[in-house]
Amino acid sequence: DVKVTQSSRYLVKRTGEKVFLECVQDMDHENMFWYRQDPGLGLRLIYFSYDVKMKEKGDIPEGYSVSREKKERFSLILESASTNQTSMYLCASSLMVTGWVYEQYFGPGTRLTVT
Amino acid sequence: DQQVKQNSPSLSVQEGRISILNCDYTNSMFDYFLWYKKYPAEGPTFLISISSIKDKNEDGRFTVFLNKSAKHLSLHIVPSQPGDSAVYFCAAYDGAGSYQLTFGKGTKLSVIP
Repeated sequence: DVKVTQSSRYLVKRTGEKVFLECVQDMDHENMFWYRQDPGLGLRLIYFSYDVKMKEKGDIPEGYSVSREKKERFSLILESASTNQTSMYLCASSLMVTGWVYEQYFGPGTRLTVT
Repeated sequence: DQQVKQNSPSLSVQEGRISILNCDYTNSMFDYFLWYKKYPAEGPTFLISISSIKDKNEDGRFTVFLNKSAKHLSLHIVPSQPGDSAVYFCAAYDGAGSYQLTFGKGTKLSVIP
């Protein structure tokens, strides 16, 4: 069974703190993604990675960085958390085979509140 | 510029009737489309997909229709059940070596018993 896990379901942090969100997948997927979901805005891609140590910016990378040291793990880092980063953060993974498209599998999400 | 649009933020349907969720796109490079379902406090789950070489794909109570000329797709749920109440997201790949899914803003479906 496909499994994407995220380190926390709920997190409360203070403005200016450094925040780490961890995501682990057990499906040997090459691709991993970080999204945020906000009411009325849908899912917006922050960063993605198609291989270990590789990363690409998504639509809204400002204020975020990522790390992928191992294939199964993809971390999202908020260098200095701000209140406008209060959101639901979703991690996803997918296979990558040239010429094919595969659906993305999502984790349960982390609800981050920055006060 | 929003490339995938779900113009109805919400939809209410009676149990047993048909639910039709709509999605429009502007990027003619999109060639693979997916629907996801999301319950509150959970991650989205994949529901059904369709390639641009098809105009219909069916999976049980769920059918997706694609009209390429109109750049429009729709998800039909028949019959609707209370457990179908969720937010539905339409998403698209451009397939040109891109790994990036573009999502719509979602439609909240409420199925009334």
